[in-house]
Amino acid sequence: LLVESGGAVVQPGGSLRLSCAASGFTFDDYMMHWVRQGPGKGLEWVSLISWDGTKTYYADSVKGRFSISRDNTRNSLSLQMNSLRTEDTALYFCAKASGYCTGASCYPYYGLDVWGQGTTVTVSS
Amino acid sequence: QLTQSPSSLSASVGDRVTITCRASQAISNYLAWYQVKPGKAPNLLIFAASTLQSGVPSRFRGSGSGTDFTLTISSLQPEDLATYYCQQLDRYPLTFGGGTKVEIK
Repeated sequence: LLVESGGAVVQPGGSLRLSCAASGFTFDDYMMHWVRQGPGKGLEWVSLISWDGTKTYYADSVKGRFSISRDNTRNSLSLQMNSLRTEDTALYFCAKASGYCTGASCYPYYGLDVWGQGTTVTVSS
Repeated sequence: QLTQSPSSLSASVGDRVTITCRASQAISNYLAWYQVKPGKAPNLLIFAASTLQSGVPSRFRGSGSGTDFTLTISSLQPEDLATYYCQQLDRYPLTFGGGTKVEIK
């Protein structure tokens, strides 16, 4: 089970931190994703983090503004969002990854197999 | 980049439905399909292009490799009303197709 929280209404240029609480599986065995869906739009992949937090990957649209992290002692995933723009308005999902990591990279080859229900972020003045 | 077609379709219960997904570069078989019902979280249907996720009805079938992929629903059911997305997992940034909205006639 994945439960997101932290969504809110924020002004352009502001910051927000999303959280995702995981249960029902061994959290530190898995990579984790953030995915978003803007109003009336399709799915957009946002970010991925390795099982141990040492490797992170981002969509070009959020690189340098968003930061993914995890706390395996608390079974928790986070997304720190800075310099928010109106186009960041979306429903944000966390999802469990199926794949593996090597020393060089992570390979989430087998899809996102568990999803939360999402938390809504609205960026508006 | 992933290009899905059609962007929407309308079919009758029992019809065979085919959705295609074309990648701008070869992605081996690292492609997944998801079903998104209104107000619900996405649901993984197919991974590795053709492997059915546990619990997904056998009327869903994925095929393809390289740049061209297909999701087929062999006999459309009322509960299949949803938007379907492909996703490539071969290279970063990971990307989704634009989606195909399936409506029931």
